[in-house]
Amino acid sequence: VQLVESGGGLVQPGGSLRLSCAASGFTFNAYWMTWVRQAPGKGLEWVATIWEDGSEKHYVDSVKGRFTVSRDNPKNSLYLQVNSLRADDTAVYYCARGQKNLDYWGQGTLVTVSS
Amino acid sequence: QSALTQPPSASGSPGQSVTISCTGTSSDVGGSNYVSWYQQHPGKAPKLMIYEVSKRPSGVPDRFSGSKSGNTASLTVSGLQAEDEADYYCTSNASSNNLVFGGGTKLTVL
Repeated sequence: VQLVESGGGLVQPGGSLRLSCAASGFTFNAYWMTWVRQAPGKGLEWVATIWEDGSEKHYVDSVKGRFTVSRDNPKNSLYLQVNSLRADDTAVYYCARGQKNLDYWGQGTLVTVSS
Repeated sequence: QSALTQPPSASGSPGQSVTISCTGTSSDVGGSNYVSWYQQHPGKAPKLMIYEVSKRPSGVPDRFSGSKSGNTASLTVSGLQAEDEADYYCTSNASSNNLVFGGGTKLTVL
């Protein structure tokens, strides 16, 4: 099992990014997938989860209306569109397999929101 | 969606046991069988150590054990080893398929 995130970078407040997570080594369309973030020096925070077929999505209140989780099962890929970014969105964003038990994690991609 | 409460730090000497608590409410820890614990070394991704309160994934030493009583879950590390020094996070399934994490506990092996 391998999860590889990409798409992070430096963005100005109010800007947007699209984070990607390439999955391999397992049947991607059989698993819920989750995004978790970690601000510098802080703890882990659940961000969003998407069902196996993408039909249901759940978000932490602080990102509702600004972030959108999606997936492309034929491409074994998970995405997080992050819009209207704020300074407090600065974090390493991890993708993880599962919903209740996150049994595999990527190495993360850093999003820095700063002017 | 309030975070679960963990002590910020815990410590023990090699060979000793240490227990880390994780307190929530009846809407998360108390009402869920899906309490997990994660270990995170500096600069690394988290690693699942305990799931569904007390189950260990393949490859996790049996020195790690989990339990729950009421609204509080616990992770016990027995026979502490130097490599156990890390941050530990609990998490629980909450309402509406949301997930809530604890604030994290830094475990120091003296």
